[in-house]
Amino acid sequence: SAVISQKPSRDICQRGTSLTIQCQVDSQVTMMFWYRQQPGQSLTLIATANQGSEATYESGFVIDKFPISRPNLTFSTLTVSNMSPEDSSIYLCSVGTSGTSTDTQYFGPGTRLTVL
Amino acid sequence: QQPVQSPQAVILREGEDAVINCSSSKALYSVHWYRQKHGEAPVFLMILLKGGEQKGHDKISASFNEKKQQSSLYLTASQLSYSGTYFCGTTGGGNKLTFGTGTQLKVEL
Repeated sequence: SAVISQKPSRDICQRGTSLTIQCQVDSQVTMMFWYRQQPGQSLTLIATANQGSEATYESGFVIDKFPISRPNLTFSTLTVSNMSPEDSSIYLCSVGTSGTSTDTQYFGPGTRLTVL
Repeated sequence: QQPVQSPQAVILREGEDAVINCSSSKALYSVHWYRQKHGEAPVFLMILLKGGEQKGHDKISASFNEKKQQSSLYLTASQLSYSGTYFCGTTGGGNKLTFGTGTQLKVEL
C-alpha cells in the first residue's frame, strides 16, 4: 500500500481566508481523491484529481470554492477558498492505483480544519 | 444516494460477535469496507466484487449480495482493537466510492 502524507495536519483559520492542503504519495498513483468528513459524519467525495487535466467535481462542490491541482503522479493540492465556519471539517486525500472499481483506496492522515 | 448502515452503533463485550449491514438503493459493482479509529485515517479492510462472494481474514469476514444490493461485515470473537467506526464504500462500476452512514462499534472488557 502507498504511504500518504498531508500538510498541514491541522489549522485554525479566520473567516474569509484560504488554506491550501498538500497531499504527497511515496509512489506514482493513477487516481487521487479529495474527501471531506464533517465531525461525526461519513466521508463525502469532493473531487477526483486528474493528472494533466482539470479535476472532476461532485455535485455540491465547485472549482471556485475548492480549486485542485495535480501537477504530477505523486502530488496534489486542495485549496479551501473564502472559508466560513461551515468549512470546518477533516479533509482527506486518498489514492488508487488502477482507476477501476476494484481499486483499493488508501487514505492520508487528514487535515483538521477549524474556521473561526 | 448514500448507502445506509445498520446498526448505527453497537457495544460489545470482548469475545462477542457482531454483524454490520450496508444497504444501497443503487445497483452495486463492488463493496469496500473500512475501519476508522477516532482521529485517524480510514483503514482498508477488504473489497468484495459482485458475484455474491464472501471474503474473510482472521476473525473478520464479509458477504455481498448484489441482487439485494447489500453487504454484511461479520466480526467474530471481538477484540478491544476492533473498536472504531466502520464504513462501507460502494461503487456502481466506476472508480468513485460512495461511503455509507457508518457504524460505531465499541468493544469493552
